[in-house]
Amino acid sequence: DSGVTQTPKHLITATGQRVTLRCSPRSGDLSVYWYQQSLDQGLQFLIQYYNGEERAKGNILERFSAQQFPDLHSELNLSSLELGDSALYFCASSVAGQAADGYTFGSGTRLTVV
Amino acid sequence: AQSVAQPEDQVNVAEGNPLTVKCTYSVSGNPYLFWYVQYPNRGLQFLLKYITGDNLVKGSYGFEAEFNKSQTSFHLKKPSALVSDSALYFCAVRDMADSWGKLQFGAGTQVVVTP
Repeated sequence: DSGVTQTPKHLITATGQRVTLRCSPRSGDLSVYWYQQSLDQGLQFLIQYYNGEERAKGNILERFSAQQFPDLHSELNLSSLELGDSALYFCASSVAGQAADGYTFGSGTRLTVV
Repeated sequence: AQSVAQPEDQVNVAEGNPLTVKCTYSVSGNPYLFWYVQYPNRGLQFLLKYITGDNLVKGSYGFEAEFNKSQTSFHLKKPSALVSDSALYFCAVRDMADSWGKLQFGAGTQVVVTP
């Protein structure tokens, strides 16, 4: 157990639907990152939050949004889902989000859009 | 901009033989470099990192990596591979000067260790 908790582990939903993925960072970590892993795109950075504030944005679609709450857990919202959104979504956390920090990854949420 | 290249999609090695997984990087400034491993249906696990100091970094499970600034490389090595080392390996880089910069990951290299 890495200390980063992601729920649910698996999610199957239909095109056009909306889902919410949840992440609880490791105790003491203030920064949360979301990544999408697909076979053709590899690991793609989506977004970073630090202590409730957005700090960096990657290739995140407008249909996707995220937030980090006062208790530091984070949610990634995916809407108007398309078949191509099927992927593994990882959350990672780090102490402060500074350059020398490594990440601790959760075990991921496997999203299947049918 | 920062980038990472892992030139091999897959590396095949016999158990007991040395294992090398290649990684080259590009950053504007000085790099922080990382290796992660992913087992099937699991998240990425941290193996080792180079921040500063000795160019040879030792990490978990007997792995080590050598930072070579002139060749902008950070190859992962293990003297004697085990079947249990079969997994997907990711190299990642961050620019030291970019305080809030994200980790940029390579495409990953699948390692297959045969008995």
